[in-house]
Amino acid sequence: SQQGEEDPQALSIQEGENATMNCSYKTSINNLQWYRQNSGRGLVHLILIRSNEREKHSGRLRVTLDTSKKSSSLLITASRAADTASYFCATEAAGNKLTFGGGTRVLVKP
Amino acid sequence: SAVISQKPSRDICQRGTSLTIQCQVDSQVTMMFWYRQQPGQSLTLIATANQGSEATYESGFVIDKFPISRPNLTFSTLTVSNMSPEDSSIYLCSVEDIRRAGYTFGSGTRLTVV
Repeated sequence: SQQGEEDPQALSIQEGENATMNCSYKTSINNLQWYRQNSGRGLVHLILIRSNEREKHSGRLRVTLDTSKKSSSLLITASRAADTASYFCATEAAGNKLTFGGGTRVLVKP
Repeated sequence: SAVISQKPSRDICQRGTSLTIQCQVDSQVTMMFWYRQQPGQSLTLIATANQGSEATYESGFVIDKFPISRPNLTFSTLTVSNMSPEDSSIYLCSVEDIRRAGYTFGSGTRLTVV
């Protein structure tokens, strides 16, 4: 069963705007990861935030983690058409098992 | 990070047949993971494959339907057996990044069963 719920399920923005998506989960975690998937192909790892971290940046990506609320957000700043993809959060607990959220489909219009 | 070669990239198969998906990793890894992504859905872990032992299957997945081989530390196969249209999905393999900073995924196998 899925650990995470993501919202929104779909997001449509103009190029240059920011995109924010949220992920909630249910149980304790070691870390939370965000992945991108283009057109039903393989997943690309974007960023990992550990349970003792609150915020992390990587290029135009900013991830926050609130373990008290069991939630995370992914912000993509100054979006580009190439950011059009599905984005998934995944939680990792003990045992090297990733549990994925439902995903957010992002459409960036030129 | 590791590079995974997964094949086939897609296939259309008749119901009742079987398809074997291969993943080759460019480095030795202890565990390989197999996922299913049903149309429009998220990823669900099928099983974890360790070299030299039987794969560990998640709830809802059984060895008779999804036999897995792991003959060495760089290679694994997943077979989808006795296929039905409900098996139409994307199947992906994955390994943990050596720096423990995430996972690398194969490019996926898009399976359509007719």
